[in-house]
Amino acid sequence: AQKVTQAQTEISVVEKEDVTLDCVYETRDTTYYLFWYKQPPSGELVFLIRRNSFDEQNEISGRYSWNFQKSTSSFNFTITASQVVDSAVYFCALEAGTALIFGKGTTLSVSS
Amino acid sequence: DVKVTQSSRYLVKRTGEKVFLECVQDMDHENMFWYRQDPGLGLRLIYFSYDVKMKEKGDIPEGYSVSREKKERFSLILESASTNQTSMYLCASSSSRYRVTEAFFGQGTRLTVV
Repeated sequence: AQKVTQAQTEISVVEKEDVTLDCVYETRDTTYYLFWYKQPPSGELVFLIRRNSFDEQNEISGRYSWNFQKSTSSFNFTITASQVVDSAVYFCALEAGTALIFGKGTTLSVSS
Repeated sequence: DVKVTQSSRYLVKRTGEKVFLECVQDMDHENMFWYRQDPGLGLRLIYFSYDVKMKEKGDIPEGYSVSREKKERFSLILESASTNQTSMYLCASSSSRYRVTEAFFGQGTRLTVV
């Protein structure tokens, strides 16, 4: 069975702190894709990254970075020097056929 | 810009009513999806469609049906709305028939059944 687990339900940090959002997945597929989405208070999900299971290199985009470790089935997301605008619900997702399976999400609150 | 547009942002319906949620995408995408989002449960897949007139059940299809008569439009139908279908409904589309590329989401429809 395919499954995505985001164990952290809510995280609260103060601006400029670094924060890591955890994602653990289960799949029997040998080739698969993993995703992260952000859902700000406005409600619309925003795509952040898509990662192929063959590519275990870490990815960095500005203050965002992703650590993919196939050995532990994890795809963690780190925000460096967090800002109030980073406050949102973050979802990790796994490709399942032609659909996406989502974790339950982590609500990140960044206070000033 | 890719656009996925859901016909209503907020909807209030009575128990037993037939409810139509409409979704339109303008990028000629093959795949379209309906998800339901509830607090503490994340997004759960209701139905998806990979082609016109084709549909596949997701994880929670009970109480719902879908229609895809045109490639750009995917409708979610609640045959007889019940209070436990009060939720946020999200439509999405993606381009590839065989793999999931980036999925684009609409702004969501918050449905309240009273």
